[in-house]
Amino acid sequence: EAGVAQSPRYKIIEKRQSVAFWCNPISGHATLYWYQQILGQGPKLLIQFQNNGVVDDSQLPKDRFSAERLKGVDSTLKIQPAKLEDSAVYLCASSGGTPHGPDTQYFGPGTRLTVL
Amino acid sequence: ELKVEQNPLFLSMQEGKNYTIYCNYSTTSDRLYWYRQDPGKSLESLFVLLSNGAVKQEGRLMASLDTKARLSTLHITAAVHDLSATYFCAVDLRGNYGQNFVFGPGTRLSVLP
Repeated sequence: EAGVAQSPRYKIIEKRQSVAFWCNPISGHATLYWYQQILGQGPKLLIQFQNNGVVDDSQLPKDRFSAERLKGVDSTLKIQPAKLEDSAVYLCASSGGTPHGPDTQYFGPGTRLTVL
Repeated sequence: ELKVEQNPLFLSMQEGKNYTIYCNYSTTSDRLYWYRQDPGKSLESLFVLLSNGAVKQEGRLMASLDTKARLSTLHITAAVHDLSATYFCAVDLRGNYGQNFVFGPGTRLSVLP
């Protein structure tokens, strides 16, 4: 079974530029998550999708971050404009089953963003 | 606001020794997950603990959950170099819309020969 795919793996941009990340979850997984992991810290949830709908974006800085999952499969996360403090690894995860079930979240390899 | 703490944050141990990593959290939850992360890699699921008193074991690792004490432990038996990694616990707050993971800061483990 293929895992969670993400691209690009690395991205370097200057502050105030825009950047987009792509995620393809495990086939059949209805729930998709985007996390931000700053160096030396645990992942922090940014946004959660159930199929193509947003169910939790309370920690997403909406003035600069946006995300979509148009067809309920793959997803993109965008930052516009980027700030220095956005330098982090952006992880995508997916899980199957029911939304309230005890499902394991499976993580992709992440995109390491450096903002100069 | 939920706080998830891990102790220690850094652990250097010799091969063959035993040690325990602790994960404390500040609010009620009966679901806790342990993940492993190798440098430059993503998170790999280790254990899912779903009730008070749950105990899971895989190889040299054993995890347990005490929901009354809001404490989970990850015990390492006879450590080997391959266990060197960062270990994260994640507490599921189970919000209105489903899973809501809050991760601890991680414990960076180095197993020395």
